[in-house]
Amino acid sequence: TQLLEQSPQFLSIQEGENLTVYCNSSSVFSSLQWYRQEPGEGPVLLVTVVTGGEVKKLKRLTFQFGDARKDSSLHITAAQPGDTGLYLCAGAAGTYKYIFGTGTRLKVLA
Amino acid sequence: GAGVSQSPSNKVTEKGKDVELRCDPISGHTALYWYRQSLGQGLEFLIYFQGNSAPDKSGLPSDRFSAERTGGSVSTLTIQRTQQEDSAVYLCASTGTKIRVITEAFFGQGTRLTVV
Repeated sequence: TQLLEQSPQFLSIQEGENLTVYCNSSSVFSSLQWYRQEPGEGPVLLVTVVTGGEVKKLKRLTFQFGDARKDSSLHITAAQPGDTGLYLCAGAAGTYKYIFGTGTRLKVLA
Repeated sequence: GAGVSQSPSNKVTEKGKDVELRCDPISGHTALYWYRQSLGQGLEFLIYFQGNSAPDKSGLPSDRFSAERTGGSVSTLTIQRTQQEDSAVYLCASTGTKIRVITEAFFGQGTRLTVV
């Protein structure tokens, strides 16, 4: 069974602080995505990474795919209240069945 | 439609009753997924439809859960004899399909099911 474990599970920080969220698995994924979900909404795609070691930047968000394609991280610089939400990683392998991580709930306090 | 549509948005049902949840995916998307999300938690995979292939039902938690997809489009998730532990948000997602390339999963807003 493919599992994606995220850490931390909960994170509450002050505006302006930096943070990193981790997504780990014992399985290899051909690609990995990060989604953000706001209350009452479905998750929305932030980024897709496909190459081991790949780093992608989206404004203040930096995403990295591990060299072995088993893990990923999301780093947010100078967090803002608008970054508040549930962050989910999702991996796909072979069958295109998306396996979602356990989620990290982020709250950024003004 | 422009996006994935789910109905109803909220459903309150009595324990033991059957419920049907509907998902209308983005037109042309061949893949459709159902997930369950308990309060504050991640997404639990339930079932996956891909074109005309047999669905992957490996995530269905019990035989009280079933789903079908008619004509490769609309999907219905049915829960029979609902239990209180079935209370959750049920999310549907659809994707296009490209060979060896992961595509974006578009989600509906979910159906919040409450079993009382």
